[in-house]
Amino acid sequence: GAVVSQHPSWVICKSGTSVKIECRSLDFQATTMFWYRQFPKQSLMLMATSNEGSKATYEQGVEKDKFLINHASLTLSTLTVTSAHPEDSSFYICSASRDFDLNTEAFFGQGTRLTVV
Amino acid sequence: QKEVEQNSGPLSVPEGAIASLNCTYSDRVSQSFFWYRQYSGKSPELIMSIYSNGDKEDGRFTAQLNKASQYVSLLIRDSQPSDSATYLCAGHTGTASKLTFGTGTRLQVTL
Repeated sequence: GAVVSQHPSWVICKSGTSVKIECRSLDFQATTMFWYRQFPKQSLMLMATSNEGSKATYEQGVEKDKFLINHASLTLSTLTVTSAHPEDSSFYICSASRDFDLNTEAFFGQGTRLTVV
Repeated sequence: QKEVEQNSGPLSVPEGAIASLNCTYSDRVSQSFFWYRQYSGKSPELIMSIYSNGDKEDGRFTAQLNKASQYVSLLIRDSQPSDSATYLCAGHTGTASKLTFGTGTRLQVTL
């Protein structure tokens, strides 16, 4: 299957600082990538759709100024959590799909566990 | 109605038994579905995809899709302790490549 690499796998940061998470498609180009957040014992919640060369599309309730998304190339999307607070501590996961028809599956990165202290 | 619904479980089955996981979906979800397995602390990994009515088998896994009743299921034969995980059902909504996930069913395979 396709490979999606996410970095870092875990990060601890101080409250008020910013953290950048990278998501790369290693063996295919991805015009669209997705960012999810998952709190303990809860399901994946889509945060935003990252579009190469254009602005990201954010889900309702997700602050676009707090979660900055940049999709500068066909193989890289980044999520920056700005002015992080303890309530932002979560498991952040990106995904990408190879094609854009209805039968395409999503491949997930390894996830990034963010802890804000 | 949620777009993709699953029973959160836990579903407990003895080793060697068949585990049956179910998922229902709303009209907003398109007709292609995916089952992902997620171990605790890890990201989801694809188990099966199904697009057409009927059954699709892959090793110990069988996915079943019934479009008329709007449900999709996953059967795991000869369940093993290593199958213990949360199983997520997902379908496409809106944008072609955007997946909506159910809340997941936690499966426990007991010795």
